[in-house]
Amino acid sequence: DQQVKQNSPSLSVQEGRISILNCDYTNSMFDYFLWYKKYPAEGPTFLISISSIKDKNEDGRFTVFLNKSAKHLSLHIVPSQPGDSAVYFCAASLNTDKLIFGTGTRLQVFP
Amino acid sequence: ETGVTQTPRHLVMGMTNKKSLKCEQHLGHNAMYWYKQSAKKPLELMFVYSLEERVENNSVPSRFSPECPNSSHLFLHLHTLQPEDSALYLCASSRREGTGELFFGEGSRLTVL
Repeated sequence: DQQVKQNSPSLSVQEGRISILNCDYTNSMFDYFLWYKKYPAEGPTFLISISSIKDKNEDGRFTVFLNKSAKHLSLHIVPSQPGDSAVYFCAASLNTDKLIFGTGTRLQVFP
Repeated sequence: ETGVTQTPRHLVMGMTNKKSLKCEQHLGHNAMYWYKQSAKKPLELMFVYSLEERVENNSVPSRFSPECPNSSHLFLHLHTLQPEDSALYLCASSRREGTGELFFGEGSRLTVL
């Protein structure tokens, strides 16, 4: 039973446009949500997070939105850049010592 | 040297071999993790060590044996693995009192023949 789901395995966006990556979860007890970015041959790196008590967190070009009633979060990247091309993992935290990851979405930003 | 370092980066082993993966963190963190990444599957948590004590073992087969001799080092001992164990093994560390943010190493790509 997958508690964190990323239903889109891939996304292709033109440079300068907005990229929207989606994530759904099933456990209402999750208290933190995080996005990680992974380039080939590298480990995932932390991108942005949001507490379950908030509905939006912004950091430069990256904004995460949380809709608790729908158990849905999304990552917006605007404007998208070719260097953003990577695999993005959504993760949810339970009591901070356990992260549960989604399967990832491969983002391709083309010129 | 900073961050989380994993060695070896690539490992090929037969089913009867014994090998070990090593992880070292220089971030002053007090929790360390082993994750497994297989193709088209979520990152799977294998083991969690907090303050050098194992606090979680996610039903991992006994052919995987972790060891945490101190807060900076984590090992994964491998013995009589199966071909389906071929995957990317990622080590991570964190501050236990933090928000769950993990710092990952670059991973050890394991191939079992």
